[in-house]
Amino acid sequence: DAGITQSPRHKVTETGTPVTLRCHQTENHRYMYWYRQDPGHGLRLIHYSYGVKDTDKGEVSDGYSVSRSKTEDFLLTLESATSSQTSVYFCAISESLRQETQYFGPGTRLLVL
Amino acid sequence: ELKVEQNPLFLSMQEGKNYTIYCNYSTTSDRLYWYRQDPGKSLESLFVLLSNGAVKQEGRLMASLDTKARLSTLHITAAVHDLSATYFCAVESGKTDKLIFGTGTRLQVFP
Repeated sequence: DAGITQSPRHKVTETGTPVTLRCHQTENHRYMYWYRQDPGHGLRLIHYSYGVKDTDKGEVSDGYSVSRSKTEDFLLTLESATSSQTSVYFCAISESLRQETQYFGPGTRLLVL
Repeated sequence: ELKVEQNPLFLSMQEGKNYTIYCNYSTTSDRLYWYRQDPGKSLESLFVLLSNGAVKQEGRLMASLDTKARLSTLHITAAVHDLSATYFCAVESGKTDKLIFGTGTRLQVFP
């Protein structure tokens, strides 16, 4: 299994509070991704990173920000959580952007009340 | 905009039977991935298909890619209970290089 951990694994929070999810990898892969998984939508890309301090938006980036200060860590922040951000969040990594499978972390279940 | 559709969305099948899951996509791409997800778990990579006509097989699963038809199939041979899971296809966008996932096919295999 690829060395990817996510923390926390479960979180309950209230609307309007900031939340930060952490993804940590031990594979030294260049690319890291944050997805959200919702019933009926499959997985949708929120943000991704192509190197330290290099990030870009995905298809559902509104309300989320990311940071990557070290190769191994990719943080996802919900600035002010809303109930629509209740979801399962997956981090993924890959060595290259194209023609390369992505390896997924265990996921974080987030409930926003 | 690339759209990926899977069908069926839900499949209940008897052990020993064969079936096919279909993944259609709307714009040109020659790179497609299949993943498996067990309930409450992460996604596991099954197959990487990188060219027209690519065929990969692992155990009772076989995946193929027809880029002209914009179609990939995941064929299940002689299903067993252990194959019960949700299967996702993901297409690599030729425009953005990002993966666009289908909504998944939930497979349930019963005795």
